[in-house]
Amino acid sequence: KNQVEQSPQSLIILEGKNCTLQCNYTVSPFSNLRWYKQDTGRGPVSLTIMTFSENTKSNGRYTATLDADTKQSSLHITASQLSDSASYICVVRDFNDYKLSFGAGTTVTVRA
Amino acid sequence: DAMVIQNPRYQVTQFGKPVTLSCSQTLNHNVMYWYQQKSSQAPKLLFHYYDKDFNNEADTPDNFQSRRPNTSFCFLDIRSPGLGDAAMYLCATAQGGGTDYNEQFFGPGTRLTVL
Repeated sequence: KNQVEQSPQSLIILEGKNCTLQCNYTVSPFSNLRWYKQDTGRGPVSLTIMTFSENTKSNGRYTATLDADTKQSSLHITASQLSDSASYICVVRDFNDYKLSFGAGTTVTVRA
Repeated sequence: DAMVIQNPRYQVTQFGKPVTLSCSQTLNHNVMYWYQQKSSQAPKLLFHYYDKDFNNEADTPDNFQSRRPNTSFCFLDIRSPGLGDAAMYLCATAQGGGTDYNEQFFGPGTRLTVL
């Protein structure tokens, strides 16, 4: 069964600080991995997508990395802002399947 | 702007009273999905339409049904809501071609409360 595990479950950081979220997956064969940001009470919005051959992808202050050999990804948030407070969900797609495998998310709280 | 719209954003229903959630899209995508997301959990796929073809997940309760009258609209019907059906319901769309399913675009969700 394809699984996606994220850590930590939640974290609190001060505004302006950096943080890194982790995602480990067992999905195989691998197609792509996306990081989504989900604000409270809203639908997820895609931040980055990476395929097998990509190691890093940036979107503003968000930088995602992928190690397809170890099946690990991370999302780094630089110089956090209050608006970064949200749940960040790692989503992996199986190459042969229409389904997406979702992680449970990491809830990030940025405090002033 | 092209988007996925869900109505209502908040829905309160009584135990056992049928309820319908609505999703519409202006992206002209041929695939539409319904997910159930409970607090602090990952979204769980209930079913999806690929064009007019309905694809139900094996573990989706019979209580949940869906209709897609045209490309733009998709409905989620809960025939007899139970307390355990209280959740956020997310609609998503994607452009599928053959066996390829591209990025899913999510709506804002409908928060369902069952009293």
